[in-house]
Amino acid sequence: NAGVMQNPRHLVRRRGQEARLRCSPMKGHSHVYWYRQLPEEGLKFMVYLQKENIIDESGMPKERFSAEFPKEGPSILRIQQVVRGDSAAYFCASSLPKNTEAFFGQGTRLTVV
Amino acid sequence: GESVGLHLPTLSVQEGDNSIINCAYSNSASDYFIWYKQESGKGPQFIIDIRSNMDKRQGQRVTVLLNKTVKHLSLQIAATQPGDSAVYFCAEKGGNNRLAFGKGNQVVVIP
Repeated sequence: NAGVMQNPRHLVRRRGQEARLRCSPMKGHSHVYWYRQLPEEGLKFMVYLQKENIIDESGMPKERFSAEFPKEGPSILRIQQVVRGDSAAYFCASSLPKNTEAFFGQGTRLTVV
Repeated sequence: GESVGLHLPTLSVQEGDNSIINCAYSNSASDYFIWYKQESGKGPQFIIDIRSNMDKRQGQRVTVLLNKTVKHLSLQIAATQPGDSAVYFCAEKGGNNRLAFGKGNQVVVIP
């Protein structure tokens, strides 16, 4: 049973471009979380999704950031018009419904140049 | 903001000794807690979890203690090994099922 898969592992974008980060949850998991981590810091919650539904996006910046988890296919975190401050590691986790373990992927390291 | 915090930023421990990592949480409605280990360049790795109806849970070389009265969580690692060197995070889930993390605690194992 494959774990949570994130791709790409590393992504370099120029300022103003778009970044698309993908997350395939563990098989059977219907809940996905996205987190952002700066060097030497903790994981900051961004968004929590179920299939076709955003449950909690209170950690997402209001502009340029969006997330989806379609019925088929991976969850996508999309950052439009990237700026240098968007450079970070973005982690995805998946879980079964309520109060079960959440497993993380290896992250996507976004560098904006 | 996040409701979970860790006390000591860095813990240095001699190989073979026991490690204790502490965590305070502020959301009394949280009913599920997880400890994660994160090695450099990798994603957080699940270590052990505990539900709020328990006060202690043991795994292989690890024990998690939960004190709901003072909203405190701890992770004990027995016979610490070099491979235990990492950053450890506690996380909590409340009624909204959102997983909230603390800032992390670096454990350095001295051979």
